[in-house]
Amino acid sequence: QVQLVESGGGVVQPGRSLGLSCAASGFTFGTYGIHWVRQTPDKGLEWVAGVSYDGNNKYYGDSMKGRFAISRDNSRNTVHLQMNSLRVEDTAVYYCVRGPLSNVWYSHFDPWGQGTLVTVSS
Amino acid sequence: QSALTQPPSASGSPGQSVTISCTRTSSDVGGSFFVSWYQHHPGKAPKVMIYEVNKRPSGVPDRFSGSKSGNMASLTVSGLQAEDEADYYCSSSAGNNNWVFGGGTKLTVL
Repeated sequence: QVQLVESGGGVVQPGRSLGLSCAASGFTFGTYGIHWVRQTPDKGLEWVAGVSYDGNNKYYGDSMKGRFAISRDNSRNTVHLQMNSLRVEDTAVYYCVRGPLSNVWYSHFDPWGQGTLVTVSS
Repeated sequence: QSALTQPPSASGSPGQSVTISCTRTSSDVGGSFFVSWYQHHPGKAPKVMIYEVNKRPSGVPDRFSGSKSGNMASLTVSGLQAEDEADYYCSSSAGNNNWVFGGGTKLTVL
């Protein structure tokens, strides 16, 4: 079945870096855009970043620009989110999700991984 | 860019119907407004319930339906059941290859 599995979450101090990975299976990975969406108790769901099916186009939420970098390896069916200069407000559960930026019409986010918790704290 | 506004809470008794609204506010009123809706039970992965305004993925009960009028989309849950109690989020493209979620609505089944 279609599956996305995140890894790499943990506790990190403010200003430090952390990398998240997403392993995909059960579908033609190189056809679909992949996104990261985070969830906090205060703000609910927030779109973080997205990468196109071929890796050539990358987009970020306003508060992530210049700090986060998304990439993908279609030979390994994986997506990586490098998070630098982390802030306390980046504390969230980060979900990897299939979505737009595909080379087929695909307007929504489905499926979602189980999420990985990132805690930014001193 | 667009923002999406949802009521923070909604409630209904078992068997009743509840409608959750999602209003788009944007300086650019042109362009499409393809709305999707997600159900989120705490501790679980969000799940798409409606996409492209009113399309239901396979496996989603037909008690869930979506509609749109102008800049407002709606999710209606008919025949409320206890397991429908969850947070519901709408989402849409915000333009410029960005996406936005509404603030979420906590649905309580009384």
